[in-house]
Amino acid sequence: NAGVTQTPKFQVLKTGQSMTLQCAQDMNHNSMYWYRQDPGMGLRLIYYSASEGTTDKGEVPNGYNVSRLNKREFSLRLESAAPSQTSVYFCASKGLSLLEKLFFGSGTQLSVL
Amino acid sequence: AQKITQTQPGMFVQEKEAVTLDCTYDTSDPSYGLFWYKQPSSGEMIFLIYQGSYDQQNATEGRYSLNFQKARKSANLVISASQLGDSAMYFCAMRETGFQKLVFGTGTRLLVSP
Repeated sequence: NAGVTQTPKFQVLKTGQSMTLQCAQDMNHNSMYWYRQDPGMGLRLIYYSASEGTTDKGEVPNGYNVSRLNKREFSLRLESAAPSQTSVYFCASKGLSLLEKLFFGSGTQLSVL
Repeated sequence: AQKITQTQPGMFVQEKEAVTLDCTYDTSDPSYGLFWYKQPSSGEMIFLIYQGSYDQQNATEGRYSLNFQKARKSANLVISASQLGDSAMYFCAMRETGFQKLVFGTGTRLLVSP
């Protein structure tokens, strides 16, 4: 079972470059999430999509855009990367129940020089 | 306001001993869920245990148990009989009813020594 698949696993960008992080889940989950993880700060929510066709801002949305392409896929775009966006990015998904756990992808380590 | 607080940046325990990782939370919602995740050095996020606010008993999953004290708003993770493989970051998280978001604490790094 693939679960939640993120690509790429590693990426190095120069300041000002753009890129899209891809995420796909095969569990027929309604909700999908993008988090970033920085040392000492835990995981912070960037954007989430409660269902296909909807997206909402999380705690730290500035500098990012998202697209819920279909029920399976939720992408995160950095239009003009900044060094402050150097982080580990996690995609996650969950089913209908509000109290259900999140299933996480394996993460993307992004460095912006 | 900080929703989830983990006050222990690092904890040390000897193999086979029990360890408690602290987590306090803040919510006015009577219905919520509390989660613990483990993140080993490989980086993946592994779900450990879940406690619902209306659950009458503390959750247990193998060597993991959750010491849920609702009045104190604490949800401490207890790991019994620590193993070397328990060395990892541990995150507490909460979701309130009506919100799809899971809010995480800053984590506790646990080191288990032989």
